[in-house]
Amino acid sequence: DIPLTQSPSSLSASVGDRVTITCRASQGINNYLNWYQQKLGKAPKLLIYDASNLDAGVPSRFSGGGFGTYFTFTISSLQPEDVATYYCQNEGTFGPGTKVVVK
Amino acid sequence: QVQLVESGGGVVQPGRSLRLSCAASGFTFSNHGMDWVRQAPGKGLEWVAVISSVVSNDYYADSVKGRFTISRDNSKNTVYLQMNNLRAEDTAVYYCVRDRVPGRAIGTAPGAVFDYWGQGTLVTVSS
Repeated sequence: DIPLTQSPSSLSASVGDRVTITCRASQGINNYLNWYQQKLGKAPKLLIYDASNLDAGVPSRFSGGGFGTYFTFTISSLQPEDVATYYCQNEGTFGPGTKVVVK
Repeated sequence: QVQLVESGGGVVQPGRSLRLSCAASGFTFSNHGMDWVRQAPGKGLEWVAVISSVVSNDYYADSVKGRFTISRDNSKNTVYLQMNNLRAEDTAVYYCVRDRVPGRAIGTAPGAVFDYWGQGTLVTVSS
């Protein structure tokens, strides 16, 4: 398995802010990188698959990009309901998570 | 709609066994690989095991290899996780998860995507 690192580990932003999280792989993983949202006490939810594809029903303010070893996840306009921990994933490896809170 | 419902969690002593079940509905179960992912209290996500849709190949995280066994019954639309010789560090919420793309599962083909998750079942290993 290829280790994944995420940054930042946590962030605080205001409603309407643009928020970006990065995920790095220790070696190239093509576009095989997915993003999940986990709200407190709930199961994770798939948001982005294959680096940049929005899963069905996911709001368009969420987006992803990248290839190889560097990936980004962006919320274009942070909403109160986006408070959650976000994880990247490749095969059997998850990143450590990024906790997003609203100021 | 796709539903995954886990059961079988509980409190168990170290060294004992437990079997989790996951009942699936709303999709053609036999077409999809199925996984278990766990989350220790206050910690991140850890992939545990996968069973593929074709010929039911199974693969495991190193942390559970030799102790856990994943299996499936396509006639019952159910996936199982048999957990033996449980340790305190196995304490976690266990999620049943569907692989999004038939044929793309860990150990089978690259690009596993976990598109549906159950609500989770809590396993506590404690004396």
